[in-house]
Amino acid sequence: QSVLTQTPSASGTPGQWVTISCSGSKSNIGSHTVNWYQQLPGTAPKLLIHNNSQRPSGVPDRFSGSKSGTSASLAISGLQSEDEADYYCTAWDDSLNAYVFGTGTEVIVL
Amino acid sequence: QVQLQESGPGLVKASETLSLTCDVSGDSISSGFYWGWIRQPPGKGLEWIGSFSHLRNAYYNPSLKSRVTMSVDTSKNQFSLKLSSVTAADTAMYYCARPYTFADKAKFSIWGQGTLVTVSS
Repeated sequence: QSVLTQTPSASGTPGQWVTISCSGSKSNIGSHTVNWYQQLPGTAPKLLIHNNSQRPSGVPDRFSGSKSGTSASLAISGLQSEDEADYYCTAWDDSLNAYVFGTGTEVIVL
Repeated sequence: QVQLQESGPGLVKASETLSLTCDVSGDSISSGFYWGWIRQPPGKGLEWIGSFSHLRNAYYNPSLKSRVTMSVDTSKNQFSLKLSSVTAADTAMYYCARPYTFADKAKFSIWGQGTLVTVSS
């Protein structure tokens, strides 16, 4: 059971804006930065967003992240077919003294 | 370019010890980074197992800590994971990974391709 809760799925048509939420608590998101991973089918996860809103080199700027209090969000603007994947939020948790992953959100491109 | 490659038995008997190795190329295992393991049961989400550096501290998932051992072999530039007393619940894809910066314990930016381990009864 994860301490970071995500909606199980989100969908949109090509070109649309899609938002994924991640809900945590004071001991994780409320105290630490949030990172987001993208996992394409059959592949290893890829770091998509780190430190709440920073994109590693090579990540398109249509991916953006934000954090407010004990929640975080990942937005995909101009959704593309290749964005169909599972997305996970993560953060360190002080209570568990562990790096915790969110429950994951499957993004479906209609 | 840093690359990681997991290896180890794909089938482990219940109650025995799972042993995996991660070969590191393009970086030294003694560079100061933490080295991590993450797993993913079939069709399920990701679970952090731990982050280890022989030069610094080690951090393990409390839910697995009593069964986990991580180590490095500097002569082979590789690091290892041992998980004892495995059960069917330990069946998963196991990934080794390296964090984004020296300061990160677990913000993994470099991943191996993963290796599937099945626990049989």
